[in-house]
Amino acid sequence: GDSVTQMEGPVTLSEEAFLTINCTYTATGYPSLFWYVQYPGEGLQLLLKATKADDKGSNKGFEATYRKETTSFHLEKGSVQVSDSAVYFCALRGNTGKLIFGQGTTLQVKP
Amino acid sequence: EAGVAQSPRYKIIEKRQSVAFWCNPISGHATLYWYQQILGQGPKLLIQFQNNGVVDDSQLPKDRFSAERLKGVDSTLKIQPAKLEDSAVYLCASSSQRGLYNEQFFGPGTRLTVL
Repeated sequence: GDSVTQMEGPVTLSEEAFLTINCTYTATGYPSLFWYVQYPGEGLQLLLKATKADDKGSNKGFEATYRKETTSFHLEKGSVQVSDSAVYFCALRGNTGKLIFGQGTTLQVKP
Repeated sequence: EAGVAQSPRYKIIEKRQSVAFWCNPISGHATLYWYQQILGQGPKLLIQFQNNGVVDDSQLPKDRFSAERLKGVDSTLKIQPAKLEDSAVYLCASSSQRGLYNEQFFGPGTRLTVL
């Protein structure tokens, strides 16, 4: 069945460092891909999405490109801030319409 | 616009007890979802409603879990009896339609601890 694999955390970075969180997926057909973020004490929020190959999703300085050839959707940000500290979830929605989530990656940014 | 509301935010119960969670989706959203998020894992869909009808409950442990969505608005999820492995955060989400590209909006979740 469909699945999503994320790099294990926690990821600890200093402010203004470059961020990459790896995400790969397995799915039949052409899934849509998402990154969700969960700030402490809050619900999941959609961060960005891409619906077809080579699409780039972007929001709040974060970017991810849908790479069908490598079945990947890595999250990147050029300069992280303390306020970016959160748990990040990669997810796909395939032919069933269900959202399938990865296990989440905790990001901690230190001043 | 108000977001998805859930209550309670936290609940601690003994095993074999029963518990219920409540969710009020964003006004006008026809589709409602309940997810289970076990510590260290991503959310897993338990049940999906379209208005007041069940679309998908294939991953709902029906021997102990039940859910309803009366009048196609708010919803309750019940566990009876609870087991230790039910300790998790229960997330409710809603979307305006059931289509593949409609964003799901999540509530803050209810954290359940079963002792």
